[in-house]
Amino acid sequence: ETGVTQSPTHLIKTRGQQVTLRCSSQSGHNTVSWYQQALGQGPQFIFQYYREEENGRGNFPPRFSGLQFPNYSSELNVNALELDDSALYLCASSQDRTDGTTFGSGTRLTVV
Amino acid sequence: GQQLNQSPQSMFIQEGEDVSMNCTSSSIFNTWLWYKQDPGEGPVLLIALYKAGELTSNGRLTAQFGITRKDSFLNISASIPSDVGIYFCAGRLPYNQGGKLIFGQGTELSVKP
Repeated sequence: ETGVTQSPTHLIKTRGQQVTLRCSSQSGHNTVSWYQQALGQGPQFIFQYYREEENGRGNFPPRFSGLQFPNYSSELNVNALELDDSALYLCASSQDRTDGTTFGSGTRLTVV
Repeated sequence: GQQLNQSPQSMFIQEGEDVSMNCTSSSIFNTWLWYKQDPGEGPVLLIALYKAGELTSNGRLTAQFGITRKDSFLNISASIPSDVGIYFCAGRLPYNQGGKLIFGQGTELSVKP
């Protein structure tokens, strides 16, 4: 059984650019949640995808968007990057919207 | 918005000592979860609590879901150097409030051999 995998592991982007982060959910899991973790803070919920539809959203602007594919993998897209978007982005998968108990190792995004 | 207050922020203890950390909130949660995060890694689930009053153990770890559903604690007994890391509590809101996980600010644990 493979866990949650995220790519890339590290990324450096310039302010104003767009970025796409990817997540493969754990085998058997149909729900993916995305979190943003700033340095020294706990993860903050961005949104959740269940069976290819957005199923809840945190306090993030519309320039944060996502997709879930039929194989339950997911993408997080961020447009018009700002310096404050620099953070560790975590993906968590679960089965049927239950607790997002399995996290990936994250993508470290640095915006310069 | 919903917030979790996790304390203490950091702890420096001697190997073999017991550790206790807790989380409180003004919101009611359906589920409490405790995670450990090592540098450069995602959080790893330690214990999940699903019912008010529930007391659950996982090896040297013990956690409880408060009766009011607004608090939880985690105890680590006989700490060892590999317990070093950041511990997070997380509460899951009821699904009619979005069902999302709210995380505490974390407790950084240092263990001196």
